[in-house]
Amino acid sequence: EDKVVQSPLSLVVHEGDTVTLNCSYEVTNFRSLLWYKQEKKAPTFLFMLTSSGIEKKSGRLSSILDKKELFSILNITATQTGDSAVYLCAVGGSGNTGKLIFGQGTTLQVKP
Amino acid sequence: NAGVTQTPKFQVLKTGQSMTLQCAQDMNHEYMSWYRQDPGMGLRLIHYSVGAGITDQGEVPNGYNVSRSTTEDFPLRLLSAAPSQTSVYFCASKDPLKSSGANVLTFGAGSRLTVL
Repeated sequence: EDKVVQSPLSLVVHEGDTVTLNCSYEVTNFRSLLWYKQEKKAPTFLFMLTSSGIEKKSGRLSSILDKKELFSILNITATQTGDSAVYLCAVGGSGNTGKLIFGQGTTLQVKP
Repeated sequence: NAGVTQTPKFQVLKTGQSMTLQCAQDMNHEYMSWYRQDPGMGLRLIHYSVGAGITDQGEVPNGYNVSRSTTEDFPLRLLSAAPSQTSVYFCASKDPLKSSGANVLTFGAGSRLTVL
């Protein structure tokens, strides 16, 4: 059975801290791993990773994929209160159907 | 370009009632899907469609029906609502050409359903 597991499930930090969110997966015929940010509304797309070892960066956020060990991490440096959200990891399997298997999400709270 | 539009945003039903959650997209996306989100369980796929006239089941299809008569619309029907269907529902669509074989979905704003 395909599954995606995120850890930790929740995290509380202070502004300026650096956080690392984890996502491990077991999915048949892996094609891509995606990170989304959700702030009490619809998830918004952050990154898509398809190749192992290639870091994606956007400002203070970065992510990397390890296809051998079947996991990805999302790093946020110099956190701000606006980073408070649920971070969702999703993995796409074989075919181009768009089916995504989501993890449980990590709830990040950044305190001033 | 409104993206993915869901209605209603909120709905309260009694057990046994039926209703339809509407989803429309104006991006000419072939792929559309419905997810439900429950605390601690992430997003779970209910049904999806890869084009007009084609639908398939996801992880949690029981109690839900879908149809895809046009590219733009993908309604989700609850035939006899149960308290276990209390959840937040998200519709999402994808442009397979733009996504180049990957799975970047655009989500609607969500519909919060409570079944008493």
